[in-house]
Amino acid sequence: DGGITQSPKYLFRKEGQNVTLSCEQNLNHDAMYWYRQDPGQGLRLIYYSQIVNDFQKGDIAEGYSVSREKKESFPLTVTSAQKNPTAFYLCASSMAHGYTFGSGTRLTVV
Amino acid sequence: GDSVTQMEGPVTLSEEAFLTINCTYTATGYPSLFWYVQYPGEGLQLLLKATKADDKGSNKGFEATYRKETTSFHLEKGSVQVSDSAVYFCALSRISGSARQLTFGSGTQLTVLP
Repeated sequence: DGGITQSPKYLFRKEGQNVTLSCEQNLNHDAMYWYRQDPGQGLRLIYYSQIVNDFQKGDIAEGYSVSREKKESFPLTVTSAQKNPTAFYLCASSMAHGYTFGSGTRLTVV
Repeated sequence: GDSVTQMEGPVTLSEEAFLTINCTYTATGYPSLFWYVQYPGEGLQLLLKATKADDKGSNKGFEATYRKETTSFHLEKGSVQVSDSAVYFCALSRISGSARQLTFGSGTQLTVLP
């Protein structure tokens, strides 16, 4: 079955360390996205990519970086510059008629 | 810019009660409108959608009608079940190149008691 795989489901890191969240899709979707979700808030767009080797900042890109070397993969790095990295991170992909979300990675920075 | 405003939760209902979750939006043009559902610890699943004015989206007993005159897309269900307990997000989308950017409301937590 086609879908989006995010790994790991739970991730713990020490403050000041960079951490990379994985997102892989086998839907052949061109566009991919990273959203951040905080308790009681909606999803906020971090970065998105329309094609390989191209990506754009979303509403809250500061402290994050991405790459899109392959159509299937869109990893997100949470850098030490991100002041409040503890959150639930959702990856998504889309074609013309629909959006598909991964199951998310819960990052906790201690 | 685009924005979505949802009824604040949490909402607690008894099984078989009628559900309404209000959603209004601000956008130029004719965005597509969506309701997503999120079960604990999971990603979002599309519940229903409407792509033009007066369209009614429906799925699993849930319904929402795209009302351009009131810029609303309220979610309704005639008889909720315990299994409907989840967080519900209203969203709108517009296309930018090959990307479909979604703008979300803040989400409404629904708890259905047996």
